Amino acid sequence: ETGVTQTPRHLVMGMTNKKSLKCEQHLGHNAMYWYKQSAKKPLELMFVYNFKEQTENNSVPSRFSPECPNSSHLFLHLHTLQPEDSALYLCASSLGSGGNTEAFFGQGTRLTVV
Amino acid sequence: EDQVTQSPEALRLQEGESSSLNCSYTVSGLRGLFWYRQDPGKGPEFLFTLYSAGEEKEKERLKATLTKKESFLHITAPKPEDSATYLCAVPRGNTGKLIFGQGTTLQVKP
Repeated sequence: ETGVTQTPRHLVMGMTNKKSLKCEQHLGHNAMYWYKQSAKKPLELMFVYNFKEQTENNSVPSRFSPECPNSSHLFLHLHTLQPEDSALYLCASSLGSGGNTEAFFGQGTRLTVV
Repeated sequence: EDQVTQSPEALRLQEGESSSLNCSYTVSGLRGLFWYRQDPGKGPEFLFTLYSAGEEKEKERLKATLTKKESFLHITAPKPEDSATYLCAVPRGNTGKLIFGQGTTLQVKP
């Protein structure tokens, strides 16, 4: 248990569906992140939020829409995804967003787009 | 360009056979280097943070070291439960953007 909880753990969705991934952290951290992990590729940062404000969007397609209502919760809204979006989506949090403090990850959501 | 390269890509060891994993990095102004362990289908688990050349950190059978160009994760007398993918990462500037290597998948056979 890392203090970062993601739901659901597994998700299968059609290309026309709309779904959301949820992340909650119980560590008192101020920064939260979404990462994508595809097979045979390094973890890829998608979004960074610091004190609820988005500070980084790593050229992510608009079919991925993040939401951060407070420092403890982070969502990733999904719509009209493509099969190549199938991956493990990881949420992480850290004390600050300056990059010099370790990030703690959730267990991930395994997403399959059919 | 900021970059992290890990080697080898895969490593098979016999139980008790010590070895080292390498993480080479190129980044302007290192603000820290992080090691993680990842089991299949799970999120990365934080292991160590190293901030300056010469620094060392230890945890059970693992020891991480850092130079100005690379970091090593030394595994002493590994056990089958040490089998996992080991990831290293460095932050890009002060953006919070972690650049990850591709990882080294370690398999320890009994």
